[in-house]
Amino acid sequence: AQTVTQSQPEMSVQEAETVTLSCTYDTSESNYYLFWYKQPPSRQMILVIRQEAYKQQNATENRFSVNFQKAAKSFSLKISDSQLGDTAMYFCAFTDFHNTDKLIFGTGTRLQVFP
Amino acid sequence: DAGVIQSPRHEVTEMGQEVTLRCKPISGHNSLFWYRQTMMRGLELLIYFNNNVPIDDSGMPEDRFSAKMPNASFSTLKIQPSEPRDSAVYFCASSPGLPSPTDTQYFGPGTRLTVL
Repeated sequence: AQTVTQSQPEMSVQEAETVTLSCTYDTSESNYYLFWYKQPPSRQMILVIRQEAYKQQNATENRFSVNFQKAAKSFSLKISDSQLGDTAMYFCAFTDFHNTDKLIFGTGTRLQVFP
Repeated sequence: DAGVIQSPRHEVTEMGQEVTLRCKPISGHNSLFWYRQTMMRGLELLIYFNNNVPIDDSGMPEDRFSAKMPNASFSTLKIQPSEPRDSAVYFCASSPGLPSPTDTQYFGPGTRLTVL
């Protein structure tokens, strides 16, 4: 069974600094997608970034980038130039082509950005 | 577009009562998902619909839970009778087409349910 693990329950960073959130996963599939979702205090889940396992190039979206290490089954999120609005829960999620209806989420990392 | 709309935002009820959660997906979206979020289990998919038809309800915890989608713009998740362990945040999400890794799921703000 696929699992997603986020080992950092809480992280903090100062405004304008860089922070990296960790995620590991387990699967026997060769192709799959990985996601990072942000859940601000408003509770609404927002897709931050997506990575397909077959693509070697790491995905980037403005200040957000990932470090995808397929062999190590690691998928970390780097937030550069952190802003106060980045304060939120961040969830790593996984889906594969056999279960495209199911997003499997990690337990989340609570990120606090301090001024 | 207003995004996915859920009501109510908060619901407090007593054990044994019936609870109905409501969701309006984004107009034009063909897939609708119901998730539950708890501290213990994180986010779990309960059921999803495509073109108003339930496709996968394997995540529905038990017979006390039921979901319907009578038309493309409305879905309900009902719990009858409710129990304290049902306390959670329930999210509705929608996506444009068939569930696909390339299709973004757009989430509503969730309903926080507390069963006393």
